[in-house]
Amino acid sequence: TQLLEQSPQFLSIQEGENLTVYCNSSSVFSSLQWYRQEPGEGPVLLVTVVTGGEVKKLKRLTFQFGDARKDSSLHITAAQPGDTGLYLCAATQGGKLIFGQGTTLQVKP
Amino acid sequence: ETGVTQTPRHLVMGMTNKKSLKCEQHLGHNAMYWYKQSAKKPLELMFVYSLEERVENNSVPSRFSPECPNSSHLFLHLHTLQPEDSALYLCASSQEMFLGLAGSHPNFGPGTRLTVT
Repeated sequence: TQLLEQSPQFLSIQEGENLTVYCNSSSVFSSLQWYRQEPGEGPVLLVTVVTGGEVKKLKRLTFQFGDARKDSSLHITAAQPGDTGLYLCAATQGGKLIFGQGTTLQVKP
Repeated sequence: ETGVTQTPRHLVMGMTNKKSLKCEQHLGHNAMYWYKQSAKKPLELMFVYSLEERVENNSVPSRFSPECPNSSHLFLHLHTLQPEDSALYLCASSQEMFLGLAGSHPNFGPGTRLTVT
């Protein structure tokens, strides 16, 4: 059983569609991070959320941390081909950063 | 020079070969990490170095041997690997070792794609 479960594992959509990916756990975290990894590159930090219920926006991306600090979601509005990549959530536990298995997003023009 | 660089970007090696992966960070960070990324699996933390001292070894087989000669460089020496060791090996650095705090996150290199034949 993984500490952080991401869903869906794979998502293929058309340009202009909206989507939401989820990161769930039974554990409570002090903070949670989202990363995007493009092919041939390492993960790049998108956002860190630290307060239960917190919502952060980054252009067309909206990140939410659950009230109980056990889960998070990433919503993309009007997806573009440039959004294609692997989206990873990560959370701190015991001073270590634990990653989910990722959601692979493919946005077709 | 970009933040974290890794060489080589691609490596194919036989099970009896010895090779090394190199990582260099230009960010003045104090902590460096090796991660293993396999398809459909979470990133696995392999080793952590803080101020050139190894502070964590997550039950990694001895066929993987890290080396941190200074705070800017990190190596991963490989010998007698198995086909299941084929993966993307990512190096990362951060200002301080403990992560997840506001303003603290690992900066990843582009990775080395390793194939063991």
